[in-house]
Amino acid sequence: DIQMTQSPSTLSASVGDRVTITCRASQNIVSWLAWYQQKPGMAPELLIYKASSLESGVPSRFSGSGSGTEFTLTISSLQPADFATYYCLQYHTYWTFGQGTKVEIK
Amino acid sequence: EVQLVESGGGLVKPGGSLRLSCVASGFTFSDAWMSWVRQTPGKGLEWVGRIKRKGDGGKTEYAAPVKGRFTISRDDSKNTVYLHMNSLKIEDTAMFYCTRSKGSYEIDYWGQGTLVTVSS
Repeated sequence: DIQMTQSPSTLSASVGDRVTITCRASQNIVSWLAWYQQKPGMAPELLIYKASSLESGVPSRFSGSGSGTEFTLTISSLQPADFATYYCLQYHTYWTFGQGTKVEIK
Repeated sequence: EVQLVESGGGLVKPGGSLRLSCVASGFTFSDAWMSWVRQTPGKGLEWVGRIKRKGDGGKTEYAAPVKGRFTISRDDSKNTVYLHMNSLKIEDTAMFYCTRSKGSYEIDYWGQGTLVTVSS
């Protein structure tokens, strides 16, 4: 099974900050990685797919990069709507999620 | 607009059974791979299983913790996917989400979830 290690588990930041979240895969997943945002009481929403492709309707301040085993999600300038929990998902072999990163107000 | 609406959650005793349903709209259901994902505060998001579209063989695949206990089926005439859960354990307590994906690729839509609580 492919394991996904996401870090940090919690991140404290202020509006306007540049934020980076990392996901590491236990084996090469090429670019088969997606990122999701989840707000309390809501279902996750797709932000990024195939490591770096922005889902339609998602603000351009979100970007993804990486390939192989190491991936990052970057929010270039954190906005109030961005305080949420973020998850990565590998879909190279079945599906495995990272443990999540909660982005909270500093 | 894509919509996935789950139902069937509730309280069940350990060893019991439950059937979840998910009614889809806003897309060609018969073309989609459908999956179930569950979420608990302790273990986060966990893929449960999926069913391919009939054009890809209609095969089902399951995560190890539920294999042999859970069964996914679909009725394309009703735009509905089901999750049949047997021999439920306390650790199956979770919010269950119905999801859609483009084949074996990323999940692109999620339902709002239905809560399953396994407790005596």
